[in-house]
Amino acid sequence: EAGVAQSPRYKIIEKRQSVAFWCNPISGHATLYWYQQILGQGPKLLIQFQNNGVVDDSQLPKDRFSAERLKGVDSTLKIQPAKLEDSAVYLCASWVGGGGRRGSTDTQYFGPGTRLTVL
Amino acid sequence: AQKITQTQPGMFVQEKEAVTLDCTYDTSDQSYGLFWYKQPSSGEMIFLIYQGSYDEQNATEGRYSLNFQKARKSANLVISASQLGDSAMYFCAMRGHAGNNRKLIWGLGTSLAVNP
Repeated sequence: EAGVAQSPRYKIIEKRQSVAFWCNPISGHATLYWYQQILGQGPKLLIQFQNNGVVDDSQLPKDRFSAERLKGVDSTLKIQPAKLEDSAVYLCASWVGGGGRRGSTDTQYFGPGTRLTVL
Repeated sequence: AQKITQTQPGMFVQEKEAVTLDCTYDTSDQSYGLFWYKQPSSGEMIFLIYQGSYDEQNATEGRYSLNFQKARKSANLVISASQLGDSAMYFCAMRGHAGNNRKLIWGLGTSLAVNP
């Protein structure tokens, strides 16, 4: 099956500009995540969707970041305006669903990421 | 609170040898899952192996195995017969199975370098 798709792979912008990232999860995966990973750190969850509803956006800087998943499939993450500290890899991941199932179906699968550089 | 600790910022191993990457965790959940991911310099996060807290046997996936010691709250990754392509960052992560603990908690990672 096809994996998680993300675009673009790389983006360089100047501070105060806006940028958008796109993610298409694995087919049939109800849950989609956006992570921010700053160099030298582990991923930080920005937002979690289940279908087209937001489950957790507690760490999303809502003054500048926004995300949507209108039809419950692909998703976009936007930053407007960007700051220097937004330079990071933005990872999208998907998970087959909820319901408390255990085992390998708990696994989140990641896309290739978008490396953002803000100058 | 849940926490993942990876105490080895960097590790070196000779090609074809085995290496163990350490991971300890803290949780009050009875049911949880532990994951290991590999992140090469390209940036993609690649799933390697999963261990459920109720699994009685240690998980294995090809050259990867997970040394799960529940009483010690450790979930070390063992890579056998290291290859040059194994050079990457390795992250340990945990997820609970209820309520707000369903999101992944990540360690800081271990950078592995495989020497020829």
